[in-house]
Amino acid sequence: QKEVEQNSGPLSVPEGAIASLNCTYSDRGSQSFFWYRQYSGKSPELIMSIYSNGDKEDGRFTAQLNKASQYVSLLIRDSQPSDSATYLCAVTGYSSASKIIFGSGTRLSIRP
Amino acid sequence: DAGVIQSPRHEVTEMGQEVTLRCKPISGHDYLFWYRQTMMRGLELLIYFNNNVPIDDSGMPEDRFSAKMPNASFSTLKIQPSEPRDSAVYFCASTADRAGAQYFGPGTRLTVL
Repeated sequence: QKEVEQNSGPLSVPEGAIASLNCTYSDRGSQSFFWYRQYSGKSPELIMSIYSNGDKEDGRFTAQLNKASQYVSLLIRDSQPSDSATYLCAVTGYSSASKIIFGSGTRLSIRP
Repeated sequence: DAGVIQSPRHEVTEMGQEVTLRCKPISGHDYLFWYRQTMMRGLELLIYFNNNVPIDDSGMPEDRFSAKMPNASFSTLKIQPSEPRDSAVYFCASTADRAGAQYFGPGTRLTVL
C-alpha cells in the first residue's frame, strides 16, 4: 500500500463546475496535510494546508480532512481553465514530522 | 523574498560526467530538502538538512549521489559519475517549520546522454 494515494486521473470537469480531488494516507499519526498545484514544466506550488479535522476554505478552494478515515480532499469551486494542472496531496509522517510524503498527483483538466 | 533559488535551470551532460546542482533556500528557513521528480516515480525525497546538518539521506539512490550544506544559505547535490537513468527534474525546497509546508525552487532539469 502506498503511503499517500491519489487517483491519477485525468479528471475532466466543465468550466464553472466543482472539481473534487481525493487523497488517502496510511500513517494514522500524520499531523500536517497539504495540497500543491503543479503546472506542466513548473515546480509544485502550495495552495492549501490543513492540520485539524473539518473544512478549511480559501477563496475558491476548500480542503477537507477526516483523520478517522485517513482521508483528505480538495474542492475547487467555479473551476477555471487556469485550474488545469496536476494536484499533489502531501502528508507529514508521525515518526518524522519534517518529511513530507507526496502522492503521485491527480491531473485535472477544465474543459470550456 | 526571492524564494528558493536553484541553478542551473537546465543541464545536459554525458554519461560519466560529474554534475553539481545548487540551491539557495529562503532566508531564515532551517530545513532544506532535495527531491527528484520523474514520470515513473513521481516526487521522491532524496535528502534533507536541518540547520545545515543532514538528517535523513535514506532516499539517496546510491553512492554516486552526495549532498552538502556548508552554510545556511547554500547547498549542493552532486552526482558522480552521472548515468542516463539520473535524468529527471531535481527540486530544492525549504521551510522554517518542522512540520510546515515546504516551498519549492524552480528546479533543475537534468539530461544525461
